[in-house]
Amino acid sequence: GAVVSQHPSWVICKSGTSVKIECRSLDFQATTMFWYRQFPKQSLMLMATSNEGSKATYEQGVEKDKFLINHASLTLSTLTVTSAHPEDSSFYICSARDGFTEAFFGQGTRLTVV
Amino acid sequence: GIQVEQSPPDLILQEGANSTLRCNFSDSVNNLQWFHQNPWGQLINLFYIPSGTKQNGRLSATTVATERYSLLYISSSQTTDSGVYFCAVEGIQGAQKLVFGQGTRLTINP
Repeated sequence: GAVVSQHPSWVICKSGTSVKIECRSLDFQATTMFWYRQFPKQSLMLMATSNEGSKATYEQGVEKDKFLINHASLTLSTLTVTSAHPEDSSFYICSARDGFTEAFFGQGTRLTVV
Repeated sequence: GIQVEQSPPDLILQEGANSTLRCNFSDSVNNLQWFHQNPWGQLINLFYIPSGTKQNGRLSATTVATERYSLLYISSSQTTDSGVYFCAVEGIQGAQKLVFGQGTRLTINP
């Protein structure tokens, strides 16, 4: 299957700082990428849909100014958690699709804000 | 939006047993996928199965789209099968978004 690479795998940051997470589709062009968030022992919740060259579409309740998404190319989307606080600590996972086909997921990023 | 329900929420079995995991969804779908989440959080693609039946080794899946459910079968379970299994669907109005069920936590004891 296709490969989606996410970096970093884990990050610890101080409260008030910003953290950037990268998601790359390595062997296909992803017209659409998705960002999910997962709390311990819970399911994945969609945060936003990222389309190459256009603004991201955020799910209801997701703060656009806190979670900045950029999809500058067909192989790269980034999620920046701005002014992070302990409640932003979570597991963030990206997904990529090449059109209307199977979705593939990155390895995930475990964010801890101290 | 589309609703996804998985059952059972937890399943504990002995090695060698067979299991059936169920996924019910509330509307017609363009896409349905089954995933296994490993202990490090990685989602492993098991099946892309909006309809029909597929098999891959000890695993097989069936989606009956007209009745809005999918089943994942695991035969001759191994301890490495332990983990959380998720069903995710894209509704026909879903704009390619996958909506996840709450998952089934499978524990295979030796």
